[in-house]
This record gives sequence, C-alpha cells and structure tokens, in this order.
Amino acid sequence: EPEVTQTPSHQVTQMGQEVILRCVPISNHLYFYWYRQILGQKVEFLVSFYNNEISEKSEIFDDQFSVERPDGSNFTLKIRSTKLEDSAMYFCASSAGLAGVKSEQYFGPGTRLTVT
Amino acid sequence: AQSVTQLGSHVSVSEGALVLLRCNYSSSVPPYLFWYVQYPNQGLQLLLKYTTGATLVKGINGFEAEFKKSETSFHLTKPSAHMSDAAEYFCAVETSGSRLTFGEGTQLTVNP
Repeated sequence: EPEVTQTPSHQVTQMGQEVILRCVPISNHLYFYWYRQILGQKVEFLVSFYNNEISEKSEIFDDQFSVERPDGSNFTLKIRSTKLEDSAMYFCASSAGLAGVKSEQYFGPGTRLTVT
Repeated sequence: AQSVTQLGSHVSVSEGALVLLRCNYSSSVPPYLFWYVQYPNQGLQLLLKYTTGATLVKGINGFEAEFKKSETSFHLTKPSAHMSDAAEYFCAVETSGSRLTFGEGTQLTVNP
C-alpha cells in the first residue's frame, strides 16, 4: 500500500541553524501539507501546497518557514533559523483531492525535531 | 470558525468492554469529520471519515462513528476493546480549504 515517507526520523540542531525536513508524498496525490505536534499538545496545521504554490498557511507559518517541491517526488519544509520552540514532531501529509471523497489526508511517520 | 472538542483526555476501559470516545464539532457549514489514531512513536492513521450520505460510518479495526447533526457530535465507538487499541485518538474537522483542525486527543488505555 502506498505511504508517505519522511526523513530524517529524528533531527537534532542548534538554535539558529537551518533545517530541511523531507517528505515523499503518495505518488498520485496532488495536495501536500505540513503539520506539527509539540510534545503533549494537539496536532496543528502549518501549510498546504498545491500546483507548486502555497494554498493556505496558518499563523504559525511565519517568514522563517518555507516549503518547496524541488522535483516530482519530494516535498520539503525549511526552517531558516530554528528556535527552541520549534522543537516538535513535524508531520507531512498528502491527499488526492479536496473536500469530499478524495480529501482524506495520509500522514507520514513524522520527523522529531529537537532544537538545543 | 470550525473546531472540534474531545471530551476526556484519558479514557480507560477493560479488554472486551465498549469503547466510547467523544467528539463534538462546531461548524457553520456541513462538516467533513475524521478520526485518526496515533500509536506510540508513529504517525497518524486514518480510522474513518464522514463526508456526506450515511451517518453511521464504519472504519478500520472494528471502529465506527455516527454523525449526529442535532447533537453536533461524531463519537467513536467499538463494541469490544482489544489490548492493541491502546493509542491516542484524534477527532478532526476539515476547515477552510483543506486544513484539518484537530481536537486535543484522547488517550485510550485498555486494561487486561
């Protein structure tokens, strides 16, 4: 069964460093998402991406964040200058469509980002 | 704004007992509702979803949920709990565009 994959599974970085989290969505999906889950808190939406541009972003997704689909398979989240409060589990998701039958989002296993 | 509220951050049942995890939603338009499960150190797995049509939705692993518009609820049930059901369960509503807004989560413990 097709699945969303994410690398690395765990990333440790120092405050102020740039990190890139990588995701390979399900191959025939067109919509891509990033969510995060701070330890002990609920899952929060960061951004959605379609047709090579951001469809929607939350208030969390400020100028230090960016997303890119550099080729036909990868979808990346870049955090330009990490802060301690960026420590969280970051989930990538993809869906075949929007709002309805094909809208279910399939999640990857997550990347645990630890900022020290 | 659309949102979901999960009543009870922790639910504990005995193996073989009924599982009932509560979710209430707030939405100004007909909602699309989802239940996801998260096992320890894993990602989110879709259990079931409601979009339109039949209000009783069956999902994987014997779970089902009923959409009740009059009660603005989408509670998750399973007739007989199994040890392997121990996990965290999240209710979610699809809001503007395609973002999912999640509830706080309910940690299910199954006792032998």
